[in-house]
Amino acid sequence: DVKVTQSSRYLVKRTGEKVFLECVQDMDHENMFWYRQDPGLGLRLIYFSYDVKMKEKGDIPEGYSVSREKKERFSLILESASTNQTSMYLCASSLTGSGDEQYFGPGTRLTVT
Amino acid sequence: AQKITQTQPGMFVQEKEAVTLDCTYDTSDQSYGLFWYKQPSSGEMIFLIYQGSYDEQNATEGRYSLNFQKARKSANLVISASQLGDSAMYFCAMREQDSSYKLIFGSGTRLLVRP
Repeated sequence: DVKVTQSSRYLVKRTGEKVFLECVQDMDHENMFWYRQDPGLGLRLIYFSYDVKMKEKGDIPEGYSVSREKKERFSLILESASTNQTSMYLCASSLTGSGDEQYFGPGTRLTVT
Repeated sequence: AQKITQTQPGMFVQEKEAVTLDCTYDTSDQSYGLFWYKQPSSGEMIFLIYQGSYDEQNATEGRYSLNFQKARKSANLVISASQLGDSAMYFCAMREQDSSYKLIFGSGTRLLVRP
């Protein structure tokens, strides 16, 4: 079974802190994604990566950056956390193929105070 | 413009009955894929079913089926014989041909199964 793990289920940070969210997948997937989920808005794509060291902006990249140094690991970085970044963050991975679904991690609920 | 629309924020269904969750989409691509995911209260997104735009048959996976009406741009999820464990958020998503494998999600429908 594909397994996508995220470093924390719950995280509380202060405004202005630098925050790292880590995601690891164990199935050699090329593609990895970071989403944030807010009530009534569904999931919105922040960044994705289709190969090591490759990244593309999603729909809401402002205030975030990413790093993919190894194929299995994709990190989301909040350079200076703000209260409007309080949200659920979901990581996903997928193979390259038109019918290949994305496999999701359990999510990290981040609160910025 | 919204590309995926789920018009039902919340729904109830009686245990053992069937329920349809609505999803409409908007795309100018000829080749695209439609997905449904389930999110229980634990938070993890669980893949349920996939329909390709060129698939002539409606997709089915156990108690889940996708009612694909291409001309109407709708991809409704049908859950037969509802169970208490089906209570969750359900998301419809689309991947367009040139989207670099990105998924666009709807806002979700919360389903509550009554005993």
